[in-house]
Amino acid sequence: QSVLTQPPSASGTPGQRVTISCSGSSSNIGSNTANWYQQLPGTAPKLLIYRNNERPSGVPDRFSGSKSGTSASLAISRLQSEDEADYYCAAWDDSLNGLVFGGGTKLTVL
Amino acid sequence: EVQLVESGGGLVQPGGSLRLSCAASGFTFSSYWMAWVRQAPGKGLVWVSRINGDGSSTSYADFVKGRFTISRDNAKNTLYLQMNSLRAEDTAVYYCAKPMTGTRNAFDVWGQGTMVTVSS
Repeated sequence: QSVLTQPPSASGTPGQRVTISCSGSSSNIGSNTANWYQQLPGTAPKLLIYRNNERPSGVPDRFSGSKSGTSASLAISRLQSEDEADYYCAAWDDSLNGLVFGGGTKLTVL
Repeated sequence: EVQLVESGGGLVQPGGSLRLSCAASGFTFSSYWMAWVRQAPGKGLVWVSRINGDGSSTSYADFVKGRFTISRDNAKNTLYLQMNSLRAEDTAVYYCAKPMTGTRNAFDVWGQGTMVTVSS
């Protein structure tokens, strides 16, 4: 069981907006920033969002992140078929003195 | 081009040892914390360990403490993971990862991964 809790699946149709949640605690998201990764099948993860809401160069502005208290969220607007992938949140945990990931959310574009 | 290339994976018996390497290029290796992240077949990402730029500070996930050792050779631009007392549950793809400048844990560069299979 992962320290950060994500829904196992999410879905949407092309053009729609979907949101993926990531629930943590005071020792991780509550006191540190959250990052989000996208992983396409058979490939290494790709950084989508860092420091809660910042996008690395090259990441489309369709992807956005937010944080409130001990939870973080990833929003994908104007959904496209190529967004079909697994998405993971991550944050440093001060109690565990380690980085924790969410269990991942499989996004299906219908 | 910034690049990470892992090697050293393979098939090992339970209780055995393996050393993974991660060759870095295209950036000032010694200036960055580095990390290992693993992914068991069909499962999610799991952080394993990290090390600071000069190798003086390390952290480990509880499930590898006392069995795995992270190290680096800045002269060779190479990150290592020595894995001892391997168990079946250590079977996974192991990725090395570099954080974005100014962060320790937002990994913007990943290697292609190296598969470790622990089985008799």
